Amino acid sequence: AQSVTQPDIHITVSEGASLELRCNYSYGATPYLFWYVQSPGQGLQLLLKYFSGDTLVQGIKGFEAEFKRSQSSFNLRKPSVHWSDAAEYFCAVGPSGGSYIPTFGRGTSLIVHP
Amino acid sequence: DAEITQSPRHKITETGRQVTLACHQTWNHNNMFWYRQDLGHGLRLIHYSYGVHDTNKGEVSDGYSVSRSNTEDLPLTLESAASSQTSVYFCASSGARPGSDEQFFGPGTRLTVL
Repeated sequence: AQSVTQPDIHITVSEGASLELRCNYSYGATPYLFWYVQSPGQGLQLLLKYFSGDTLVQGIKGFEAEFKRSQSSFNLRKPSVHWSDAAEYFCAVGPSGGSYIPTFGRGTSLIVHP
Repeated sequence: DAEITQSPRHKITETGRQVTLACHQTWNHNNMFWYRQDLGHGLRLIHYSYGVHDTNKGEVSDGYSVSRSNTEDLPLTLESAASSQTSVYFCASSGARPGSDEQFFGPGTRLTVL
């Protein structure tokens, strides 16, 4: 069965610092991979997604993620964090076998210090 | 613009009462989902639907039901509310491509059962 692990429950960074959020997945084939962001009091919003091709994917709000098949990872990065980036971040892997149900990680809470 | 809305945004009810949470989407998506979000558990799937008159149970379906009479709406009913059902509930929808289409989330309903 497919699974997604986000090893860090909380990450604290200073404003202006770089950011990397980790995501590891278990999947039998080339996965569809997603990162979502949830701002306080809101629903999840798609940041970026990977299906195939270039392993470095650009998303909204200055985020990017790199797919590394050898490490089964899809880490999210941002070169300079803004206070407004404080949120919950979820990694997800798309379903297999004709299902429409993705598998979500438990989420990483990003705290940004001024 | 297409959107997905939920109502009410906040609800307080008493144990044993029946509660219905509304979800309405204008994406014309066939697939709709209900999740609950609790600290330490991430997103957990309650029910989902792949089209009109289709409903399926998710991993935490006990005490909940859904019905799908049209494409736009998937109301979630708590038959007899329990304190354990205090949570934030999210509705989502997705398009027709298995695995590759991202989910679009509503803003959530915060339900408190006293």
